[in-house]
Amino acid sequence: EVQLVESGGVLVQPGRSMKLSCAASGFTFSSFPMAWVRQAPTKGLEWVATISTSGGCTYYRDSVKGRFTISRNNAKSTLYLQMDSLRSEDTATYYCATAGFSYWGQGTLVTVSS
Amino acid sequence: DIVMTQGALPNPVPSGESASITCQSSKSLLHSNGKTYLNWYLQRPGQSPQLLIYWMSTRASGVSDRFSGSGSGTDFTLKISSVEAEDVGVYYCQQFLEYPRTFGGGTKLELK
Repeated sequence: EVQLVESGGVLVQPGRSMKLSCAASGFTFSSFPMAWVRQAPTKGLEWVATISTSGGCTYYRDSVKGRFTISRNNAKSTLYLQMDSLRSEDTATYYCATAGFSYWGQGTLVTVSS
Repeated sequence: DIVMTQGALPNPVPSGESASITCQSSKSLLHSNGKTYLNWYLQRPGQSPQLLIYWMSTRASGVSDRFSGSGSGTDFTLKISSVEAEDVGVYYCQQFLEYPRTFGGGTKLELK
């Protein structure tokens, strides 16, 4: 059974940093591009970033470019999202997903507030 | 960026009736390979999104055949035949032709 389990979501002050993790199991993680998608409270879905199988290619939405870094450790079957210079508008539930969006995690809530 | 625009449903939908959700893209999602790069998702209350349809009209594994996708390069429809209680939630279309990947604003389905 495919499982994606996010962790790391907390309450953080504006301007600070945090790192999300997504542990994958039940499939060959290294063969799948992966993505992060977020959803602000009561809002719709918003793609954040995608990473290729090797990690050599990454793509970001403009609003997080230069602040967020997507990465992966294929040996550990884990996806990451390093988030720096956090803003209140980054408050959302963050989902990791396979890049074809067939599989999603349960999400982890990030709250940016003073 | 490709803008995805979804229509609303005349909620609530009577149980057993059919429902059609529309989605329009600001750019054709039809690739030269003949495939249309359009996904549909259902997000039930309190749950993660679930992929229903990919390549505009191919049902994802395990998805009921009550769900069907159709359309052209810029205009798309998700049809749900004989709506059931488990179909309640918010439906999203999404393009994966280009980066940034973009979603429609969502269409809520409520059951009568």
